[in-house]
Parts: sequence; structure tokens; C-alpha cells
Amino acid sequence: DGGITQSPKYLFRKEGQNVTLSCEQNLNHDAMYWYRQDPGQGLRLIYYSQIVNDFQKGDIAEGYSVSREKKESFPLTVTSAQKNPTAFYLCASTLRGVGELFFGEGSRLTVL
Amino acid sequence: AQKVTQAQTEISVVEKEDVTLDCVYETRDTTYYLFWYKQPPSGELVFLIRRNSFDEQNEISGRYSWNFQKSTSSFNFTITASQVVDSAVYFCALRHYNNNDMRFGAGTRLTVKP
Repeated sequence: DGGITQSPKYLFRKEGQNVTLSCEQNLNHDAMYWYRQDPGQGLRLIYYSQIVNDFQKGDIAEGYSVSREKKESFPLTVTSAQKNPTAFYLCASTLRGVGELFFGEGSRLTVL
Repeated sequence: AQKVTQAQTEISVVEKEDVTLDCVYETRDTTYYLFWYKQPPSGELVFLIRRNSFDEQNEISGRYSWNFQKSTSSFNFTITASQVVDSAVYFCALRHYNNNDMRFGAGTRLTVKP
């Protein structure tokens, strides 16, 4: 089945550690996104990528990094520079243009 | 700048009541797209509807209906005869034409009690 797969679903990390969240899609979509969701704040855009080897910062990119080496994959690294990384992270993809976003099931990161 | 406001943080209704979720948006663009998504407790966002800025026709899909009014920059969502399974967080979103940046509102948590 076509879709977006995020892993891991739950992740615990100690302060000062980097962690990478995986996002893979087999929908042949060009654009991919990472959003962060905090209670009562909706979704905030971290990074997005419209094509391979290209990506743009969203509203809250500080403390995060991404890569887009393959069309299917858009991993997000939460670095130790991110001051408050505990959140629910959602990956999404879409065809370029005007389509709706398709979302993965999310990854919940907790920093201990 | 693009902005989406969902003023209702939480709504609670009893099963079979009708409920309307409000969405107000701001944009300087003349061509844009509006969306509604549902987020059940599992966490994944489920696409419900897309509407472009040139199409102000209201849409009905089963118990769901949407009222798009450019004059008031609103795109409201009504659930008729609500059911417990409608309990979720609902997000309204705005996307400029040919721009991959999609903006979401803060969401409205709907609880439907039996």
C-alpha cells in the first residue's frame, strides 16, 4: 500500500543527544515536510523540501537539520541545540502544486 | 503573511447534535487553497476537504458540510447529527497556489458524548 512511514513511533532521549526521525514515502511525491505539534499550538513547519537535494527552513528550523538525498526519504535530526525538543513530530508529503498533504502517523519524542 | 485562526479551542456536544467548527484565514494572495483535516487519537492527520479560492460553492459530504465565504475570509465546517466517532482534533489549513508552504490553525478539539 502507498503511504508515509515514520519511525520510531516513540522515542526517548537524554538531554544533549542528537536523534534522527525517519520518514519514508512511496507515493512518488515531490515535496516533503516536517511539522512539530505541541498541545494547543497546532502544527508548526520545521523544514520542507520540494525536490531532491533541496530544502527550505520553516518557522521553527533552529535546532533541527534535514537531508533529502532520495525522493522517498526526508529524515529529520533533532540536535542538542533544540532547547525544547519534547513534542509530536509529523512528516507529510504532496505532489508539487496544489494537492493536499498526506501525513504519516507521527513520532513522539520525549527528552528525559 | 498567511494566517489561520480557529478561535474555538474545545467544543463538547452530545451525540446527534449539530456542531460548527469555525475557521478564519488571512492572506494577500488571490489564488489559494483551504483544507480541513481530522486528527483522531491515533495522531495521523486525515484529509477531509480541499477548496480553491475561486470556488465558493458549499460542499456536502454525508454528515459533513463546508461553508466557504470569501467576503468574511471564513471556511467553516459543520457536522450534522454528530457521532462519538467524530471526536477528534480538527485543523483548518491554508496554502498559497504553487507554494508548498501550508499554514495550519491551532485546531479545535471536538468531544462528542454519548
